[in-house]
Amino acid sequence: SYVLTQPPSVSVAPGKTARITCGGNNIGSKSVHWYQQKPGQAPVLVIYYDSDRPSGIPERFSGSNSGNTATLTISRVEAGDEADYYCQVWDSSSDLRVFGGGTKLTVL
Amino acid sequence: EVQLVESGGGLVKPGGSLRLSCAASGFTFSSYSMNWVRQAPGKGLEWVSSISSSSSYIYYADSVKGRFTISRDNAKNSLYLQMNSLRAEDTAVYYCARDQGTVTTGYYFDYWGQGTLVTVSS
Repeated sequence: SYVLTQPPSVSVAPGKTARITCGGNNIGSKSVHWYQQKPGQAPVLVIYYDSDRPSGIPERFSGSNSGNTATLTISRVEAGDEADYYCQVWDSSSDLRVFGGGTKLTVL
Repeated sequence: EVQLVESGGGLVKPGGSLRLSCAASGFTFSSYSMNWVRQAPGKGLEWVSSISSSSSYIYYADSVKGRFTISRDNAKNSLYLQMNSLRAEDTAVYYCARDQGTVTTGYYFDYWGQGTLVTVSS
């Protein structure tokens, strides 16, 4: 089955840029989606189709996808961005949805 | 406003059964595929199962195949997950999530419920 690999943690100072990666074999050929989950809450979609933002998600959130790595970029990080972030793809060969292991973003 | 409300969670002994429900409102339920996603305590998200709008296509994660059954009742705007032969490793918060996307562009989850906790323990 298709495997997505994320770093367990990323730390960033307020006002700086955070980059969270999601690795997978030729992931650039798939659409990647990103979710934010704060403690005790349900996940929230923040990026879909690699780089599209749902309504209500700040422009500070952006995404890219090429080769074997997809990246979620959060600019001008705020304390409220501290959360777990998960990438997700649909594996067309198996028709299964797959999540990465998640990355805990810490705002210093 | 799209709303997904899960229910049916609780404490069950290993080997036991439980049926989860998800009540949907605020959208045309019969037009969307739906999913169950779970999260074990302190762990990441794990997709469990999906069902197409007319129940024609159903998929399961290997970890639950043969033990869990997903179903839906479009007349009642409801999604279900019948869980049998439960194991300790099935302990998790179970979320209901709406599917979005196409076979060409890929699928993602645009709305989620708040989840219901299932605890499997003797």
